[in-house]
Amino acid sequence: EVHLLDSGGGLVQPGGSLRLSCVASGFIFSDYVMSWVRRAPGKGLEWVSTITRLGNTYYEDSVKGRFTISRDDSKSTLFLQMNSLRAEDTAVYYCAKTAGGPTEDWWIDYWGQGSLVTVSS
Amino acid sequence: QSVLTQPPSVSVAPGQRVTISCTGSSSNIGAGYEVHWYQHPPGTAPKLLIYANNNRPSGVPDRFSGSKSGTSASLAITGLQAEDEADYYCQSYDSSLRAWVFGGGTKLTVL
Repeated sequence: EVHLLDSGGGLVQPGGSLRLSCVASGFIFSDYVMSWVRRAPGKGLEWVSTITRLGNTYYEDSVKGRFTISRDDSKSTLFLQMNSLRAEDTAVYYCAKTAGGPTEDWWIDYWGQGSLVTVSS
Repeated sequence: QSVLTQPPSVSVAPGQRVTISCTGSSSNIGAGYEVHWYQHPPGTAPKLLIYANNNRPSGVPDRFSGSKSGTSASLAITGLQAEDEADYYCQSYDSSLRAWVFGGGTKLTVL
């Protein structure tokens, strides 16, 4: 059974940093594309970042240059390093196992339970 | 404003049928990119309902179905139950934005 365990969320001041982690189990982690998706209070789901099996990375425009996605296949762990955090980054962040073919037609077949990030002074 | 447009809310009586639309453009759904649907109940993680336009993952009841035509897609739910109350999202890829995009979400209320 697939499990994605998110951690690392918390309260941080504007301009601060936070690192989210996601430990995966139940599948061969290195074989899959992985992503982060967030949901801000009162808003909908928003794609944040994706990393391929080969380490190619993609980012939503508002987080480019501030967030870094990475993976440690030896530990089946996905990371999201978030710097220069803003109030509008406040959201529940979900780790997501991503399925699909070699093109951009990817979807999320499993989600973590989410990690709350609150950016406030 | 989301690239994929969904109605903000729908309300339906138990046992009835509902369809939720997802309208895109020539750079996403109309370009041939697939549409996927998720259910997000309050306080829990989202769940995949439909992938690649009209495919159900194992464990998803056949009450849920998806379709796609032109620049739009739809999710249909039949035999509505109280447990179906949730937010529903469509998702695709946009070649102009070079990004994966979600619809704004539709809140389904079972009366």
